[in-house]
Amino acid sequence: EAQVTQNPRYLITVTGKKLTVTCSQNMNHEYMSWYRQDPGLGLRQIYYSMNVEVTDKGDVPEGYKVSRKEKRNFPLILESPSPNQTSLYFCASSSSGTRTGEQFFGPGTRLTVL
Amino acid sequence: GESVGLHLPTLSVQEGDNSIINCAYSNSASDYFIWYKQESGKGPQFIIDIRSNMDKRQGQRVTVLLNKTVKHLSLQIAATQPGDSAVYFCAESYNDMRFGAGTRLTVKP
Repeated sequence: EAQVTQNPRYLITVTGKKLTVTCSQNMNHEYMSWYRQDPGLGLRQIYYSMNVEVTDKGDVPEGYKVSRKEKRNFPLILESPSPNQTSLYFCASSSSGTRTGEQFFGPGTRLTVL
Repeated sequence: GESVGLHLPTLSVQEGDNSIINCAYSNSASDYFIWYKQESGKGPQFIIDIRSNMDKRQGQRVTVLLNKTVKHLSLQIAATQPGDSAVYFCAESYNDMRFGAGTRLTVKP
């Protein structure tokens, strides 16, 4: 089954404790993105990647890091989480980029930073 | 930045009725639009898209209408079913894609 998986699905952590949210896709897509979703706001792009070893900042990259060492994986790293990073995070992949075409989203990771 | 999707926050319809979900966009240069459905606890799912050279596009039980004159996009769902209950949001794209906050559709039995 074609899918994007994320782990963990739920995470409660404390300020300053480094964490990684994993994302994996099995569709051989070149493009992958991370978004955050906050109440009353649309999805906001954090980082995106157009291919292995190619990443770029989205609209809200501060406080986040990513890496793309393999085509299928695109982990999101919070080196020192803060309460304003409490949010619902989605990973997405696409064969056509992030400007047009369908993106396939993972099920989301709900992060709470205390 | 520019805003996307002046959605009504909620819409309630009777099962079997048609639903119309509206979206206003602000960038007249946007040339691509897309609708997603997000069920509770799940990631967004693609519904339908439309390019700016079209006014209307139909899918299975869904139709998207684009009115570039007033910068308005709508999603019509025919014969709404309980499984259609979800948050629906539009996105517009020019240099990059901008997502609206969404409208929560509730289908009453």
